[in-house]
Amino acid sequence: QKEVEQDPGPLSVPEGAIVSLNCTYSNSAFQYFMWYRQYSRKGPELLMYTYSSGNKEDGRFTAQVDKSSKYISLFIRDSQPSDSATYLCAIKAAGNKLTFGGGTRVLVKP
Amino acid sequence: DTGVSQDPRHKITKRGQNVTFRCDPISEHNRLYWYRQTLGQGPEFLTYFQNEAQLEKSRLLSDRFSAERPKGSFSTLEIQRTEQGDSAMYLCASSSEVNTEAFFGQGTRLTVV
Repeated sequence: QKEVEQDPGPLSVPEGAIVSLNCTYSNSAFQYFMWYRQYSRKGPELLMYTYSSGNKEDGRFTAQVDKSSKYISLFIRDSQPSDSATYLCAIKAAGNKLTFGGGTRVLVKP
Repeated sequence: DTGVSQDPRHKITKRGQNVTFRCDPISEHNRLYWYRQTLGQGPEFLTYFQNEAQLEKSRLLSDRFSAERPKGSFSTLEIQRTEQGDSAMYLCASSSEVNTEAFFGQGTRLTVV
């Protein structure tokens, strides 16, 4: 079993819909949670960073962390075709390396 | 320059040749990470540095791979005697402190023919 699990998709939604992404993890030592967006053949771009349970909002993006369930989510409101990309969750324990999920491919159709 | 810079962006090499990649982290970031990513997969950890000290190496980092970060600034990743299985995107990231967010470069895409 991988330390961080993420549905590979593809997840296809119409423009303007809410995109819902999630990851589960197994290591209770994980404390820091990040979401990255990656376009084809590009490096990952940091979207959200959080270290506490609950919600964190930044523009159209909301990150949600439930440490008791070892479950994290990313919601994208008012999705645009430019949001079509692969979304990666990355989690780390204190002072340790980032561990990534496999990524979810998202397609927002005009 | 405010981002992580990687060079070259693309490298095509023949099997058995040696290749070296360079990463320049964000200024004053003391943590530097190397990852490898194959098509359709998430990045896999290779190694990381705090300043010039290499603190952890993945089992993925075989003896053909070596990474350095002299003087705690830029880093190089060398692959000796390349194999077709080494074809991947090699990503570098940096962070300012132990538990802050990590920022990635655009990667070096390696193709071994």
